[in-house]
Formats: sequence, C-alpha cells, structure tokens
Amino acid sequence: DAGVTQSPTHLIKTRGQQVTLRCSPKSGHDTVSWYQQALGQGPQFIFQYYEEEERQRGNFPDRFSGHQFPNYSSELNVNALLLGDSALYLCACSPGTSGTHSYEQYFGPGTRLTVT
Amino acid sequence: AQKVTQAQTEISVVEKEDVTLDCVYETRDTTYYLFWYKQPPSGELVFLIRRNSFDEQNEISGRYSWNFQKSTSSFNFTITASQVVDSAVYFCALSEALGSAGTASKLTFGTGTRLQVTL
Repeated sequence: DAGVTQSPTHLIKTRGQQVTLRCSPKSGHDTVSWYQQALGQGPQFIFQYYEEEERQRGNFPDRFSGHQFPNYSSELNVNALLLGDSALYLCACSPGTSGTHSYEQYFGPGTRLTVT
Repeated sequence: AQKVTQAQTEISVVEKEDVTLDCVYETRDTTYYLFWYKQPPSGELVFLIRRNSFDEQNEISGRYSWNFQKSTSSFNFTITASQVVDSAVYFCALSEALGSAGTASKLTFGTGTRLQVTL
C-alpha cells in the first residue's frame, strides 16, 4: 500500500510566478489537508479538501487555492509568489469520516519551494 | 484559539539516556485530540501517537511513553534509552473534534523540539 506521495520534490520559482503542487493520498484516504512549514517552524494549516470541496481554511490569502479530484488526489496552487512563500509544503491525508482513525493525519514527504 | 507550546527548542543527550519532551497546550474545546509527530532530516512527518481528551491513560509503546495530564494541559513524551536514530525534530499538535464535514480537523502544531542523540 503506497503512502502519501507528493510532487515535485523540489521547486525553484521567481517572485510573481505561479506554482502547482500535487498530492496523492494513501489508498482509502479521501480527505487531504495542506500545510506550510517555514524553516525552523511548525507546520501551518492552509486548507482541507473533502468530497472535492474546501472544508476548512487557515489564515492564508486567496493567492493560495486548491482542488481535489474524484480520485481524491489534490493540487495546491499559489499565485503571485512572494519570497516569504519559500517553505516546505506538506500534504496530509486521513481516512475520512469512518472509524476512529479518521482523526489521524498522515503526511507526505513534502515539496520544498524556493522563491527567488 | 488553540495553542501548543514546546518550550524546549533543542535537547542533546548521549545514547541510552532517557529524555522527556514537554508539550503544553491551550484550547477552549472540551473534546480535542493531541498528537506527537517525528520529523527526521528527510522532512516527512511521521505519526507517533494520538490521544483523546477524555482518555487520560498513559501509554507505552516500546521505548516511547506518553504522559497526558489534563489538569496541567500537558502531553509529555519520554524516550527511554535513547538511540542515535531518535535524532529528529519532534512536534506536538492539537486538533479539535471532527470538522463540520465529519473529517479530521486541522492540526495546530508547536514549534518543535530538536533532539540530538550522540554516541
């Protein structure tokens, strides 16, 4: 059973550009959350997708948007990149509403984004 | 608002020593969940444990143990007989009960404690 996968692993972009990051959850996990982790900090919640809809959102500007596909995979899009967007972007998945493990989130390896 | 405080920024121990990582949390919710994650240098967050607010039983898993004390809003993590492979950043996190759609709610993380275990 494959774990959570993210692509790409690393990415370098220039200020003002747009970026798309991708996440494929574990089999059977239908809820995907995205987190931003700046260097030396804990991850910060960006938003969560379930049933192809944004269900929760953290304190991030509208430049951050997402999408979930019918196969539960997800994309994170960031427009008009700023230097401060440089971070590790983590995707986390959970098994939806069934069972006690629905509270647990399992993370992928992350995409390290550098904005120059 | 929820908040997690990990006051220990960095801890260094010699292999085989015991080490305790502290976590203090704040929440107004009566039902909530506490977690510990390990982040090795590779960057992936590894799930270690989840604890419900209504279950104050301590838990032991091999060399790992967790002490949940609701009265002091603490959820401390002890590694017994530490090993070099335990070197990583450890995060404590807090979430409220299920989100509005019945899904896992967002995690609020502390700033992490970097554990360095040397020979």
